[in-house]
Amino acid sequence: DTEVTQTPKHLVMGMTNKKSLKCEQHMGHRAMYWYKQKAKKPPELMFVYSYEKLSINESVPSRFSPECPNSSLLNLHLHALQPEDSALYLCASSPGDRTYEQYFGPGTRLTVT
Amino acid sequence: GDSVTQMEGPVTLSEEAFLTINCTYTATGYPSLFWYVQYPGEGLQLLLKATKADDKGSNKGFEATYRKETTSFHLEKGSVQVSDSAVYFCALIRIQGAQKLVFGQGTRLTINP
Repeated sequence: DTEVTQTPKHLVMGMTNKKSLKCEQHMGHRAMYWYKQKAKKPPELMFVYSYEKLSINESVPSRFSPECPNSSLLNLHLHALQPEDSALYLCASSPGDRTYEQYFGPGTRLTVT
Repeated sequence: GDSVTQMEGPVTLSEEAFLTINCTYTATGYPSLFWYVQYPGEGLQLLLKATKADDKGSNKGFEATYRKETTSFHLEKGSVQVSDSAVYFCALIRIQGAQKLVFGQGTRLTINP
């Protein structure tokens, strides 16, 4: 099973709302990632969790707040977003070895109004 | 820094045509190389990988060979189908250093019946 699941599939939120994106994997992977993808562009890395600890933050604005409650779950808490934050948010996981590939979820399509 | 360069798209072919999407990279050390595919409205799927020089990755009729002397990882398929229409991303990850996938800009492929 190489599945990464993400919920919700679509999300529309206002600039004053607070919402969360969820990601789950049951492959025993120890590294999990959040990416942001704008239309016609490659994914941009936002955060990396390795063994449930935040190991990389790519200078992401504080209105995005990641959380890794356990090794299978990854959340992205959203607050006071801007319209330019509208994008496809992708979660990925990998076994944890730096040579291994990353497996992506289907993404959450976020629209900020 | 590390980088990946892909041939610019979009690429339009007829069904059963031969496909080549060029990919070259710049990296220190010995990166692992990947091709990901993204179908409309979906996340990224790992298509194939190669972890060392002269490795050939293959999947679903697609192939790519890790050429260290030319720093290339070109994607090929002998006979494309309409269902191959998608965006293809070449990517690398270094063995040393942070667990960051470095993506090319993506190549949009359209196959006409």
